[in-house]
Amino acid sequence: DAGVTQTPRHEVAEKGQTIILKCEPVSGHNDLFWYRQTKIQGLELLSYFRSKSLMEDGGAFKDRFKAEMLNSSFSTLKIQPTEPKDSAVYLCASSHWGSAETLYFGSGTRLTVL
Amino acid sequence: AQSVTQPDARVTVSEGASLQLRCKYSYFGTPYLFWYVQYPRQGLQLLLKYYPGDPVVQGVNGFEAEFSKSNSSFHLRKASVHWSDWAVYFCAVSPGTQVVGQLTFGRGTRLQVYA
Repeated sequence: DAGVTQTPRHEVAEKGQTIILKCEPVSGHNDLFWYRQTKIQGLELLSYFRSKSLMEDGGAFKDRFKAEMLNSSFSTLKIQPTEPKDSAVYLCASSHWGSAETLYFGSGTRLTVL
Repeated sequence: AQSVTQPDARVTVSEGASLQLRCKYSYFGTPYLFWYVQYPRQGLQLLLKYYPGDPVVQGVNGFEAEFSKSNSSFHLRKASVHWSDWAVYFCAVSPGTQVVGQLTFGRGTRLQVYA
C-alpha cells in the first residue's frame, strides 16, 4: 500500500507569495492532519479533517493558513501571504478512524521563506 | 489541557549501551500514550502505544515503554542501542480512542549513537 505522499519535498518562496502544499493520504483513511514542525515549537496541529469535514483549524493559524480536502484522496494547505516565520517542515498525516491514534506521516515539505 | 514534557532535548549513547528516553505527561484521567520516531528526512512512525492495561508495552525494533500513573511518566527503553536508532523520538498523549485530533506531542528527544 502506498503511504502518505507529500509534494513538493522542498519549496522556496519570497515573502508575500502564495504557496500550496499537497498531500495524498493512505487510501481508505478517514482522518487527515496537517502539522507544522519547527525546532522551537515542535509539532503544531494546523488542521484536522474527518471524512473531508474540517474538525479543527488550529486557531492561531487561521488568518493565513487554509487547508482544504476536495476529495477523500487529496488535500492542500495554502499559505497566503507567506512570511519568513513560516519557514518550517509541514507534515501531513492520515489515520483510519477507529485505528486508535496510529498516524501515518508523509516525509514532509520543507518550506523556506526568504 | 493535556501536555507532554520530554526533558532531554538530546541524548548521546554508545552503540550497544542501554537507553532510556524520558517522557512526563499531564492529563486529568487515564491517558493513551504513544512513542513515535522520526528518522532523518522522514515523517514520524509509530513505535508503540499504551492503552489502559499492562503498564509495560512492547514496540518495534526492541523498544519498550513503561507507564507509571504515580509518576505521570511513560519512559522509553531499549536494552542495546544500534547505530540505526539515531533519530528523534516523540512522546504523545491522547485522551482516548476515536479522538485522534487531540493527540499532543512533546518537543522530541534527539538520540545520537556513537561507535
